[in-house]
Amino acid sequence: DTGVSQDPRHKITKRGQNVTFRCDPISEHNRLYWYRQTLGQGPEFLTYFQNEAQLEKSRLLSDRFSAERPKGSFSTLEIQRTEQGDSAMYLCASSTGQRLDTQYFGPGTRLTVL
Amino acid sequence: GNSVTQMEGPVTLSEEAFLTINCTYTATGYPSLFWYVQYPGEGLQLLLKATKADDKGSNKGFEATYRKETTSFHLEKGSVQVSDSAVYFCALRADSGYSTLTFGKGTMLLVSP
Repeated sequence: DTGVSQDPRHKITKRGQNVTFRCDPISEHNRLYWYRQTLGQGPEFLTYFQNEAQLEKSRLLSDRFSAERPKGSFSTLEIQRTEQGDSAMYLCASSTGQRLDTQYFGPGTRLTVL
Repeated sequence: GNSVTQMEGPVTLSEEAFLTINCTYTATGYPSLFWYVQYPGEGLQLLLKATKADDKGSNKGFEATYRKETTSFHLEKGSVQVSDSAVYFCALRADSGYSTLTFGKGTMLLVSP
């Protein structure tokens, strides 16, 4: 399977704990995006990378959130001191980085904060 | 800022019925427009797209035409199938062509036999 993969698919944690999600993009895709989707809403942009550089962050990305893409391949999204409001589906997408390219989405990681 | 408004669901249809899901947008310039579909338990998949005014995107029997004058990109299908049951998201991308996607809230489609 050469699509975008995410791990884990589901995560249940207690409030105050830290969690980390991983995204593996399609091979040779330069751009990698993180979105958050809450129930009944469309995905909302969080941040994106061009290779290893983080080029844009949404105001939704509070200082408890950090994302990395250390070698320009896979990416991690960490949430520190989780809150119940962080419960959502976290989506990763990748694209070639060319103008008007298509973003391909992974299956998402569903986070539940108790 | 950019925004997308979709009709609220669920839309409930019988098999072979005609489908329209309305989508309007607010954006400066000439954004690209997209329809994504999310089947139960799966990730978002690109269904179709249009990058300039009057373009028609089409795929799997679905069509949508980029209407600049009405800032709309309505999704249509002439004859729906049970397998089309999913959540459909309209989205836009600013006219730079490099920016991220802005999504609508999604419209659930339920097709019964």
